[in-house]
Amino acid sequence: DAGVIQSPRHEVTEMGQEVTLRCKPISGHDYLFWYRQTMMRGLELLIYFNNNVPIDDSGMPEDRFSAKMPNASFSTLKIQPSEPRDSAVYFCASSFFGEKANYGYTFGSGTRLTVV
Amino acid sequence: AQSVTQLGSHVSVSEGALVLLRCNYSSSVPPYLFWYVQYPNQGLQLLLKYTSAATLVKGINGFEAEFKKSETSFHLTKPSAHMSDAAEYFCAVTRSGNTGKLIFGQGTTLQVKP
Repeated sequence: DAGVIQSPRHEVTEMGQEVTLRCKPISGHDYLFWYRQTMMRGLELLIYFNNNVPIDDSGMPEDRFSAKMPNASFSTLKIQPSEPRDSAVYFCASSFFGEKANYGYTFGSGTRLTVV
Repeated sequence: AQSVTQLGSHVSVSEGALVLLRCNYSSSVPPYLFWYVQYPNQGLQLLLKYTSAATLVKGINGFEAEFKKSETSFHLTKPSAHMSDAAEYFCAVTRSGNTGKLIFGQGTTLQVKP
């Protein structure tokens, strides 16, 4: 398995522009998570999905942030409009919590977002 | 509610010395606990996990951790540090059972001196 795949790896955009981050989870995993990592706030859980359904979006900072999971193999995190304080590394992770789960989360390599 | 506290944001050891990274958890229900490692410019990699089986858990790269309910701790240890162990380490907690929300500590940066 290729693991959790995130794209792009790096994104530089101007303030006010729309940004879309993409994630492909591991096949067969039924949970998908979006985290944000900054020096000041550490790792924050933004939202997570179970079987493509959003379960908890209480970590989404503002209405400018939205996430979708149209199918089991793809998810997006969108920021519109982007602001400099959104600059961070965004991680996607997936996991499986079924009967034979090992309860380990697999993280992607992250997208480093810079908003100028 | 659940949380983890990592004591010490930076730990420095000499190569060959014992590594001890501290993690204390707070949970109103039996927890599952994890240690992750993050190398520069990379994602997080699972080192080891406690899921209510053996309290002493062995992970990759020679690391191990012991779950101590009485102390609400899950400290990470390695007998002999190697230069390649220099990284950031995160402790994390989730509810036991069928749940998905993983809560991370603030992380501890391990420096290994030659």
